[in-house]
Amino acid sequence: AQSVTQLDSQVPVFEEAPVELRCNYSSSVSVYLFWYVQYPNQGLQLLLKYLSGSTLVKGINGFEAEFNKSQTSFHLRKPSVHISDTAEYFCAVGANDYKLSFGAGTTVTVRA
Amino acid sequence: KAGVTQTPRYLIKTRGQQVTLSCSPISGHRSVSWYQQTPGQGLQFLFEYFSETQRNKGNFPGRFSGRQFSNSRSEMNVSTLELGDSALYLCASSLAGQRNQPQHFGDGTRLSIL
Repeated sequence: AQSVTQLDSQVPVFEEAPVELRCNYSSSVSVYLFWYVQYPNQGLQLLLKYLSGSTLVKGINGFEAEFNKSQTSFHLRKPSVHISDTAEYFCAVGANDYKLSFGAGTTVTVRA
Repeated sequence: KAGVTQTPRYLIKTRGQQVTLSCSPISGHRSVSWYQQTPGQGLQFLFEYFSETQRNKGNFPGRFSGRQFSNSRSEMNVSTLELGDSALYLCASSLAGQRNQPQHFGDGTRLSIL
């Protein structure tokens, strides 16, 4: 079975400042990793995915994440946030069982 | 290309009733998954269908059921509704449900139980 831990439930950040959202996972098999964003009253939108290859993954809206196998982490970063990045962010893992296992989510609030 | 479409967007029911939610996947996608999202439990997997067959099921009581049609559209049904079933129900589709294929989510159906 897989599990995902998002280490921060809430992250307040000022506009144009950098942000990092931390995600750790555990699994007995190799996994694929995803970050999703959820805006109010909407579903989940895929930000980026790690399937294989380069451990630094670039996604939409200026986000990137780094896969670290030894530390079983997949942290999400953005060098400069905007007010519009205010949302909830979910880290997820996929394995061999046709489902995603999600973390509890991190609420990012960007202040002017 | 149209995204995942869920209907209805909002639903209000009372305890004891039953409800059916609908999901139309992205064209060409044959795998459909359902998730329940609540403030307390977060996102929890309900079940996944591929070619009209359920391949995996989450830890939910038998009151929760689903099916998939030959055109890949899916429905989920909840019978004998309880207050705790109030949640956002999200449907996701992917090409074939393989672990390296990202799931694309709809905007969900917000179910409120009175």
